[in-house]
Amino acid sequence: DTGVSQDPRHKITKRGQNVTFRCDPISEHNRLYWYRQTLGQGPEFLTYFQNEAQLEKSRLLSDRFSAERPKGSFSTLEIQRTEQGDSAMYLCASSLEYGTRPYEQYFGPGTRLTVT
Amino acid sequence: GQNIDQPTEMTATEGAIVQINCTYQTSGFNGLFWYQQHAGEAPTFLSYNVLDGLEEKGRFSSFLSRSKGYSYLLLKELQMKDSASYLCAFMDSNYQLIWGAGTKLIIKP
Repeated sequence: DTGVSQDPRHKITKRGQNVTFRCDPISEHNRLYWYRQTLGQGPEFLTYFQNEAQLEKSRLLSDRFSAERPKGSFSTLEIQRTEQGDSAMYLCASSLEYGTRPYEQYFGPGTRLTVT
Repeated sequence: GQNIDQPTEMTATEGAIVQINCTYQTSGFNGLFWYQQHAGEAPTFLSYNVLDGLEEKGRFSSFLSRSKGYSYLLLKELQMKDSASYLCAFMDSNYQLIWGAGTKLIIKP
């Protein structure tokens, strides 16, 4: 049973550096979501894809953040010129568009980013 | 506007029953989700309600009242492993999940 995987699990970077995270969704899931979560808070929506199309992006997301899903399979999230406020857990989730439980999202283990 | 609210923290005793409440406001609604999240781990799906009423799944049950904008998660026969955060989230008209901040449940022996 292959669930959602994310790489790396942990990333420590210096302020100003660029970082890229990868997410591999459950293979038959056509929807893929990126969230950010800080301690004591629920996940905050960043963006989502349906197949390779990026359908929505949070208004709170700065231009330093970009995401791609080039072939409708895995996705990458890049943060340019990282700031200390970017330190958080970055979660990826995937779901089916149709089925008995549409939109039920399955989460990966997350990538914990620490910006020093 | 949209908002969702749940208590920050609750404490219960092993073997007992606990009810975690969630209230929400939204103009578009496509269901209410409950997720469990252990510290340092990703959320895992517990339940989904789109119609009013109670959904039971083993020791866990979830209730929804759409007219009241209210849901609860009921956990029975509490075990120490149930110590976790419980996240309530509703799906809005764009099929996006709007999350609460989570309720940290502490189980005492």
